[in-house]
Amino acid sequence: QVQLQESGPGLVKPSETLSLTCTVSGGSISSFYWSWIRQPPGKGLQWIGYIYYSGTTNYNPSLKSRVTISLDTSRNQLSLTLSSATAADSAVYYCARDIRYYDSRGDYRGNYFDYWGQGTLVTVSS
Amino acid sequence: SSELTQDPAVSVALGQTVRITCQGESLRSYSASWYQHKPGQAPLLVVYGRNIRPSGIPDRFSGSSSGNTASLTIVGAQAEDEADYYCNSRDSGAGHPNWVFGGGTKLTVL
Repeated sequence: QVQLQESGPGLVKPSETLSLTCTVSGGSISSFYWSWIRQPPGKGLQWIGYIYYSGTTNYNPSLKSRVTISLDTSRNQLSLTLSSATAADSAVYYCARDIRYYDSRGDYRGNYFDYWGQGTLVTVSS
Repeated sequence: SSELTQDPAVSVALGQTVRITCQGESLRSYSASWYQHKPGQAPLLVVYGRNIRPSGIPDRFSGSSSGNTASLTIVGAQAEDEADYYCNSRDSGAGHPNWVFGGGTKLTVL
């Protein structure tokens, strides 16, 4: 059974960099996409970005200038950094395994997140 | 603003059927996935693709799609189904896919 666990500081000062790690156990980080997703208090889910085990990344356009996602395959971990944090970045942050699926002709049809971490609350405040 | 639109809240009587909808242009080309989210817990995948349920998800959950609308139907809603439900798909742009979530629907079981 694949398990994901987020970790990192629960409090970040405004203008500083938010850094989180997600440790994957029960399976390899290789051959999969991995995403970071967040939920601000009282709001819905927001996709932040994904990384493929090869290192290919893609980020939410609204966060792209401040986000970096990286992998450490030797430790089976992925990381998120979000620079110039503001109060609007306060949220529960989740990591999730990101699966693409295809139809019988091999055409891409969609994605889903099948395993999620429990989430970690990050508050941006002085 | 989200490219996927959901009703903010829906209610259903215990044991009755409820449908939660998700609208967006990208759904004409791509399938949606659906997540159940309860306070303090990780979101749980309940349906994806053409009505595929992960192992352990009760068969009272089903998915469907028509045009620009994807639907999650719960037949015989139970008290434990009370939760927020989110749809997810890609955006309608070209190039590398960006994933988007609907705004979420709060389901109340009466």
